[in-house]
Amino acid sequence: NAGVTQTPKFQVLKTGQSMTLQCAQDMNHEYMSWYRQDPGMGLRLIHYSVGAGITDQGEVPNGYNVSRSTTEDFPLRLLSAAPSQTSVYFCASSYSNNEQFFGPGTRLTVL
Amino acid sequence: TQLLEQSPQFLSIQEGENLTVYCNSSSVFSSLQWYRQEPGEGPVLLVTVVTGGEVKKLKRLTFQFGDARKDSSLHITAAQPGDTGLYLCAGVGGTGGFKTIFGAGTRLFVKA
Repeated sequence: NAGVTQTPKFQVLKTGQSMTLQCAQDMNHEYMSWYRQDPGMGLRLIHYSVGAGITDQGEVPNGYNVSRSTTEDFPLRLLSAAPSQTSVYFCASSYSNNEQFFGPGTRLTVL
Repeated sequence: TQLLEQSPQFLSIQEGENLTVYCNSSSVFSSLQWYRQEPGEGPVLLVTVVTGGEVKKLKRLTFQFGDARKDSSLHITAAQPGDTGLYLCAGVGGTGGFKTIFGAGTRLFVKA
């Protein structure tokens, strides 16, 4: 099993550009989440999904969209990148409300 | 809004010393998890505590869940350089439902 995979590992964007961060898991987990991690602020939940076709907002959803068309994939879309979205983004999956398995992260810089 | 406060934010100690990290909230959680994160990687679960007053041991690490399920502590005995990393507590359930709320983390550095 590959676990949770994220692409790309690094990305530099200009303000106003859009992009999609990819996340995939091969553990047949129902729950998937996107977090951003900033210095001194821990992990903050952006969006999450409890199953294919079901998504909901987390603590900091503004500027981000998600969709969950399959159990395996949970892409995160930045609609119009802003410098405030410079961060490290982690995708995680879990079976119900148990242990979350995290991907290796995507380091995003918005200039 | 649920908040989890961790203390201290940063800890630098000598090998062999003991330490305790605290995680406090005004909210009640269904369970509390502790994760450890290495640089450049995602967090990895160390333990989940579920019952108020529960104590779990993982080799030199001892985890405790408060009686009211609002706080937790992580105690490391005889710290080693391999314990260096970012320790995150996470509250699961409670008023947030499925959402998991993370503390800001404690960055531990153990000097040889």
